[in-house]
Amino acid sequence: NAGVTQTPKFRVLKTGQSMTLLCAQDMNHEYMYWYRQDPGMGLRLIHYSVGEGTTAKGEVPDGYNVSRLKKQNFLLGLESAAPSQTSVYFCASSRTSGANYNEQFFGPGTRLTVL
Amino acid sequence: DAKTTQPTSMDCAEGRAANLPCNHSTISGNEYVYWYRQIHSQGPQYIIHGLKNNETNEMASLIITEDRKSSTLILPHATLRDTAVYYCIRILRMNNNAGNMLTFGGGTRLMVKP
Repeated sequence: NAGVTQTPKFRVLKTGQSMTLLCAQDMNHEYMYWYRQDPGMGLRLIHYSVGEGTTAKGEVPDGYNVSRLKKQNFLLGLESAAPSQTSVYFCASSRTSGANYNEQFFGPGTRLTVL
Repeated sequence: DAKTTQPTSMDCAEGRAANLPCNHSTISGNEYVYWYRQIHSQGPQYIIHGLKNNETNEMASLIITEDRKSSTLILPHATLRDTAVYYCIRILRMNNNAGNMLTFGGGTRLMVKP
């Protein structure tokens, strides 16, 4: 049981390049999330998904797109990378969204640098 | 205001109890308090959550004041591996109850020392 995995672990992009970050979970969770974490700060929600085929915007969605074609995968895309998108990206999943059970399981993160 | 207030940093001696406070004075009646921690360079890890009553699990205890304006996370016997940033989070309901967003503040950096 691998939990939540993310690929790649590290990436360096030049401004204007595009890339896709892949998140996979093997816990059959309905909900999946993408967060970013800038140095010395807490995580901020980019986009989330409440089920296969659905996505929604979080707190900081601009410059990112997401897709959830399969229940176990949640993709985060950067169409034209900017230096401001240099960050550590974390994916998470949860079984439900109820406030009484919102244990989110996080992946190990992807460190992205945009030059 | 959906934020919580935590001390920036704390130290604790190994083997002693670590008591991490959190202020959430504007919390509403149906908001839960969650605690997560983030060990350096790793993804956050769920610890515990509660609404009104005190809670305990294998990792920690959560003490919530009667007026719910503050809470304390207790690690009963801190070890060096408990060194991490601890986040106290209020669950915010997303639109249409479609999901709940974890809103991370700055957290408390706990340093457990030998």
